[in-house]
Amino acid sequence: QSALTQPPSASGSPGQSVTISCTGTSSDVGGYNQVSWYQQHPGKAPKRMIYEVSKRPSGVPDRFSGSKSGNTASLTVSGLQAEDEADYYCSSHAGSNNAHVVFGGGTKLTVL
Amino acid sequence: QLQLQESGPGLVKPSETLSLTCTVSGGSISSSSYHWAWIRQPPGKGLEWIGSIYYSGNTYYSPSLKSRVTISVDTSKNQFSLKLSSVTAADTAVYYCAREQASSSDSWGQGYLVTVSS
Repeated sequence: QSALTQPPSASGSPGQSVTISCTGTSSDVGGYNQVSWYQQHPGKAPKRMIYEVSKRPSGVPDRFSGSKSGNTASLTVSGLQAEDEADYYCSSHAGSNNAHVVFGGGTKLTVL
Repeated sequence: QLQLQESGPGLVKPSETLSLTCTVSGGSISSSSYHWAWIRQPPGKGLEWIGSIYYSGNTYYSPSLKSRVTISVDTSKNQFSLKLSSVTAADTAVYYCAREQASSSDSWGQGYLVTVSS
């Protein structure tokens, strides 16, 4: 069982928007602004899409955005494109005395 | 451009120790801005953070793996390494090394499959 809870699947049609949630606790997501989101295509290494809750690395389309409210972080993909179909994972800093990182179980995003 | 490359035995027997090395090129492992992490992914499953190390040798481990994990760094070779002891079939996974800053991994190796089997 993963430390952070994500829905196993999400879907949307091209051009639509979809939001993926990532729920943790006050010891991880809720306690730190260090939530990241990763995109992983089959057989490939993960690619960072969002860091520090809502920051986008250079080269990531602005169709990808992140937010957080309380113990739940969210990734929104706007203007869905076929190449957005992938697995998405959230992660967060966790632990004050024993610093570590926790991941969500992943969400399979399907572009219909 | 930073590159990370995992290497080591691809097959490990149960109860033995898994050992992997990550070679960093295109950047210095001694940078004060980054930690260096190991992350794994069992076949068909999600990502699991194993631990990370700072160039000074300070380490951070997953609470669930802490008793079996050792991460070390060799700044002279620009490498860092993972040792996971007493492995079982559940440790079969693709192992990734990554550069980490503020608990976020911005550069990843291609991944390396390690199978635990007799």
